[in-house]
Amino acid sequence: DTAVSQTPKYLVTQMGNDKSIKCEQNLGHDTMYWYKQDSKKFLKIMFSYNNKELIINETVPNRFSPKSPDKAHLNLHINSLELGDSAVYFCASSRNALAGTETQYFGPGTRLLVL
Amino acid sequence: GNSVTQMEGPVTLSEEAFLTINCTYTATGYPSLFWYVQYPGEGLQLLLKATKADDKGSNKGFEATYRKETTSFHLEKGSVQVSDSAVYFCALRSNDYKLSFGAGTTVTVRA
Repeated sequence: DTAVSQTPKYLVTQMGNDKSIKCEQNLGHDTMYWYKQDSKKFLKIMFSYNNKELIINETVPNRFSPKSPDKAHLNLHINSLELGDSAVYFCASSRNALAGTETQYFGPGTRLLVL
Repeated sequence: GNSVTQMEGPVTLSEEAFLTINCTYTATGYPSLFWYVQYPGEGLQLLLKATKADDKGSNKGFEATYRKETTSFHLEKGSVQVSDSAVYFCALRSNDYKLSFGAGTTVTVRA
């Protein structure tokens, strides 16, 4: 039973391409997140949606666009990929961020390499 | 703004050694504090958490106590195993819905 799943697990692509990463959670959670982990393991929040509404939008290039078709899915589309976008992208979910502090559950990560 | 500072690694220990990873924080309000662990090639998993001052979180032999007076949440384990080799992240969550992570500490335990 996979709680938070991401596809693909690995993504190798050329500079300038457009790619999408998909995330799904079967926990019945209302809130989902995207994080970026760089080569030094530093983790930074990018976006968060609660019940399909954007609640966190950090300073990321507008080449990154999240989309939440329903509360169980949060996809990340990246236009015009650059070398610096190479990283591991983690999806996470939590019961309801607006209701208070609680645990986030992470997916296995998508390893993106831009050549 | 909120921030978390944790001791830099890497940390290398022998099996059965005592492990401490220091974590201090800066936050507005009354944050909840977390330790997450990332095993090689995997995503993050919650290790333990504490939601108010003087709370102690514990799991798998690890412990951390929320110390408001020193704004700290140090992680400890009395006797580590090879299977504890991982990257450990201290994190806080305040009223802005975000988890702010420390830089991570890589721990390697040798048999």
